[in-house]
Amino acid sequence: NAGVTQTPKFRVLKTGQSMTLLCAQDMNHEYMYWYRQDPGMGLRLIHYSVGEGTTAKGEVPDGYNVSRLKKQNFLLGLESAAPSQTSVYFCASSSFGLANNEQFFGPGTRLTVL
Amino acid sequence: AQSVSQHNHHVILSEAASLELGCNYSYGGTVNLFWYVQYPGQHLQLLLKYFSGDPLVKGIKGFEAEFIKSKFSFNLRKPSVQWSDTAEYFCAVTPDSNYQLIWGAGTKLIIKP
Repeated sequence: NAGVTQTPKFRVLKTGQSMTLLCAQDMNHEYMYWYRQDPGMGLRLIHYSVGEGTTAKGEVPDGYNVSRLKKQNFLLGLESAAPSQTSVYFCASSSFGLANNEQFFGPGTRLTVL
Repeated sequence: AQSVSQHNHHVILSEAASLELGCNYSYGGTVNLFWYVQYPGQHLQLLLKYFSGDPLVKGIKGFEAEFIKSKFSFNLRKPSVQWSDTAEYFCAVTPDSNYQLIWGAGTKLIIKP
């Protein structure tokens, strides 16, 4: 099993450009998450999904959109990138239920917005 | 608002030294507690977790953590660190009624050979 994969691994954008980050998991997990990691701030939840066709806002959703059209995929979109969105983005997934809330992480995408 | 505090942002130790990384959370109800580790160039992975039962939990690679409910703490310990323990360590908390993880800012641990 590949676990959680993310594409691309690195990306440089100019201010105002758009892009989509793809997350895929092969563990049949119900829950998927997008986080951003900034120095000294830990991980902050951007958006999450509790199942196919559902999405919800996390702690820092502004400037991002997401879609979960298939259970195994969770897309994060930046419609008009800003320098403040320079960060490392992590996708994670977990199985249904609180008792199994261990989250499995992808390798991350390092995004720079100039 | 719920929060997780990790007291030390950077820790430098020599090999064979003992380690304790602090983690405190602000939530009065039932919680699930986690420590994750991020080795250089690798993705985050679970080190150990506490859901219920024995408050002293053991994880991978000789790590353990103790949940002290009265102190709202979940400190990570290892009696003798190795150079390969160099990594960033994150404490995270899930309030029992919520499946979202609340993360600490992380502690960067450097082990000198």
